[in-house]
Amino acid sequence: AQSVTQLDSQVPVFEEAPVELRCNYSSSVSVYLFWYVQYPNQGLQLLLKYLSGSTLVKGINGFEAEFNKSQTSFHLRKPSVHISDTAEYFCAVSDRGAGKSTFGDGTTLTVKP
Amino acid sequence: GAGVSQTPSNKVTEKGKYVELRCDPISGHTALYWYRQSLGQGPEFLIYFQGTGAADDSGLPNDRFFAVRPEGSVSTLKIQRTERGDSAVYLCASSFGGGANYGYTFGSGTRLTVV
Repeated sequence: AQSVTQLDSQVPVFEEAPVELRCNYSSSVSVYLFWYVQYPNQGLQLLLKYLSGSTLVKGINGFEAEFNKSQTSFHLRKPSVHISDTAEYFCAVSDRGAGKSTFGDGTTLTVKP
Repeated sequence: GAGVSQTPSNKVTEKGKYVELRCDPISGHTALYWYRQSLGQGPEFLIYFQGTGAADDSGLPNDRFFAVRPEGSVSTLKIQRTERGDSAVYLCASSFGGGANYGYTFGSGTRLTVV
């Protein structure tokens, strides 16, 4: 069975500071990895995904994530955050060939001026 | 349509009643997913359709939950004899193909409250 652990439930940062949201997963097979973002009063939106190849993937809004197979991690980073990045971020994993994904419980990123 | 549409956006029902939640996916998306999100938690998988058939219904919690997609487009999630524990946001998502590698486009969800 798969599981996803988002290590921080809340991350407060100041505007223009760097941020890292941590995600660890467990799975017995090869996986796809995703980050979704949910802005206030909006639906979940795909931020980026890792399928294969380069372990560093770039997404929308300047975010990037690095797949580390040995550490079973997929941490999300941004070098300089904006107030508008305030949102809930969800990490998700899916077995290759499967349709469903398993989500973490989310990390609330709050960017303060 | 331009996005995934879910109706109603909010539904309040009494314990024991029957409810139907509707999802209209993006035109041309063959795969449709239902997830449930409780407060403070991430989305939890319920069922996944590829075309008209349920490809994976392993997440349905019990036989009170049922979903259909008769024409391969709109889907309805049906909950019988609702219980207070069914209260959650029910999310629908669609994707162009059947694998998770495509990523999902989510709707805004239906907030179900059972009183």
